Amino acid sequence: SQQGEEDPQALSIQEGENATMNCSYKTSINNLQWYRQNSGRGLVHLILIRSNEREKHSGRLRVTLDTSKKSSSLLITASRAADTASYFCATDRSGGSNYKLTFGKGTLLTVNP
Amino acid sequence: DADVTQTPRNRITKTGKRIMLECSQTKGHDRMYWYRQDPGLGLRLIYYSFDVKDINKGEISDGYSVSRQAQAKFSLSLESAIPNQTALYFCATSDSTGSQFNGYTFGSGTRLTVV
Repeated sequence: SQQGEEDPQALSIQEGENATMNCSYKTSINNLQWYRQNSGRGLVHLILIRSNEREKHSGRLRVTLDTSKKSSSLLITASRAADTASYFCATDRSGGSNYKLTFGKGTLLTVNP
Repeated sequence: DADVTQTPRNRITKTGKRIMLECSQTKGHDRMYWYRQDPGLGLRLIYYSFDVKDINKGEISDGYSVSRQAQAKFSLSLESAIPNQTALYFCATSDSTGSQFNGYTFGSGTRLTVV
């Protein structure tokens, strides 16, 4: 069963706009990560936020985590056509140091020039 | 060279054939994983290995087997391929350094078609 569910399933915006994607999950986690996948290619790790963190930034990416609501959001500011890809959240809910990730189904982001 | 290399990139095989997908890494990571990706279903874990002597089943291991030949190599086998194993397969690696854990490194994938 899926642990993380991204919302929306698809998002289309114009270049320069901000894109926000959300992820909800069901059980407690150690950390939550976001990955990007260009069509048919491997996933690329973008950012990790730990369960004791509430917000994290990396370049044009901003991730928030609300453990009380079991949800996270990924904001991409000033989007570019090159940001067109699928974005996945992944949760590590293992105890100890297992680091076994469970992925959501992804949000397909299209940035129009 | 890529950090995580998967071979072959594409493969078409017939129902009932045995096929092996290979993965090698230069990251020096202890942990390796096999996922399959199907449209609309995201990625699902098939098998994972935390070191050469530690192999574990994931959520969809039926019909698959794995071999961890060395720290750097982790292969996935379909003993008798069936059409619903048609999918995109990914190998991934991660380290095990606790607070330094920073996500998985993925290979480019193997697109497998079973006819």
